[in-house]
Parts: sequence; C-alpha cells; structure tokens
Amino acid sequence: EVQLVESGGGLVQPGGSLRLSCAASGFAFSNYAMYWVRQAPGKGLEWVSVISESGGSIYYADSVKGRITISRDNSKNMVYLQMNSLRADDTAVYYCAKSNMLRGVRGFMDVWGKGTTVSVSS
Amino acid sequence: IVLTQSPATLSLSPGERATLSCKASQRVSGLLVWYQQKPGQAPRLLIYDTSNRATGIPARFSGSGSGTDFTLTISSLEPEDFAVYYCQQRSNWPPTFGGGTKVEIK
Repeated sequence: EVQLVESGGGLVQPGGSLRLSCAASGFAFSNYAMYWVRQAPGKGLEWVSVISESGGSIYYADSVKGRITISRDNSKNMVYLQMNSLRADDTAVYYCAKSNMLRGVRGFMDVWGKGTTVSVSS
Repeated sequence: IVLTQSPATLSLSPGERATLSCKASQRVSGLLVWYQQKPGQAPRLLIYDTSNRATGIPARFSGSGSGTDFTLTISSLEPEDFAVYYCQQRSNWPPTFGGGTKVEIK
C-alpha cells in the first residue's frame, strides 16, 4: 500500500523555523517527484514546492521562495521541507503528495499524506 | 492560471445530480484534475486529465470539458459524496488550484 506520513509540525513563533518530514512507503520512491501542498484554516489548497525524483529540479511558490527549502533522501524514502522566517500566513496543514509521473515534475498528486499542522503565532 | 470554481456551495439531496464548474483564465490543454476532500481528511484524487477516473473511483463521477471550461458531474449523489471538490491545472507553471465547491446536504 502506498503511504505517506508527515511529521514535524507544531507551534512556532513568527520568525522561527521548522523542518517537516514525509516518510514514504509502498512504491519506488526514487522514481517519483514529490510535492508539498498546504491548506490554511478554512481555506483552499495551495501548491508550495516540488522536487524531482533525483532532487535535481526544485521549484517553489512565490509565496515561500527564499524562506523554504525542499530536499529528499532517496536512501531513506524521505522528503523534507525546511521552513525559515515563518510568518502568521504560513499557518496551515502541510500535505506531502506523490506525483503520478514516472520521472518529471509536471504530474498531478495521486497519493496524499494526512498532513501535519504548522501554527505560527506569538 | 487562475481557476474559478462555481458555485461555491451546492445544496442537494442524496440521489440528485451534481454539476460542478471549473473555469480557467487560460487554456489548460486538458490537463485538469479534480480532488475530493472530506472534513478533517486529506484530498483524494478523483479525476485526472479532464475525464479519467482514478483507481477505485465510482462510475457516478465523471469529468468533461476542454479549453477553459471544465465540469465534474456526480450522476446520483451518495451520502459519502458530500464534501469539498477542488480542480487543479497542471498545464502551465506553477500548478494552481481552484477555490473549491462544497457539496452539502439539502
């Protein structure tokens, strides 16, 4: 069974940092790009970042560029989101999602984790 | 690309037909995806590339459209179908989502 499990969320003060993790299982992790998508309380979905299967191609939404870094460890089947200089409007549930495409970042999200909650508040 | 979903809320009874709209600000070449999200749950893939049902999705869900206008149809609502539905385009970068349509019980 394909499974994604996020962790690392929590309450952080404005300007603080968090590192989110996503553990993948049940598929050939190193063959697929991985996404992070977030959802602010009561709001819709927002794409945050994507990393290609090798880690060689990385893209960010303008809203997080310069503050967030995505990475992956194919030996551990893990993807990470390092979040710095956090702001109140970063408060959201952060979902990790798998790309449908065998290689490439322009696929769609065919499997989603349950999400991890990030709250930025003083 | 901006995706505009309508209506924001659809109030229907079980057994009724639901028609959800997603309009794109530019052509999306058929690369339009639909997700379903129930309260407290992660989104779930329903339809990809306009009209292809994802694995395990019942046949009552169908997608159609082209260019800038796309539709998700639920032919006969089951109790488990009351949820929020999002469209997403992957034609242009960056990928974007619509604001969602909530299908609620009338």
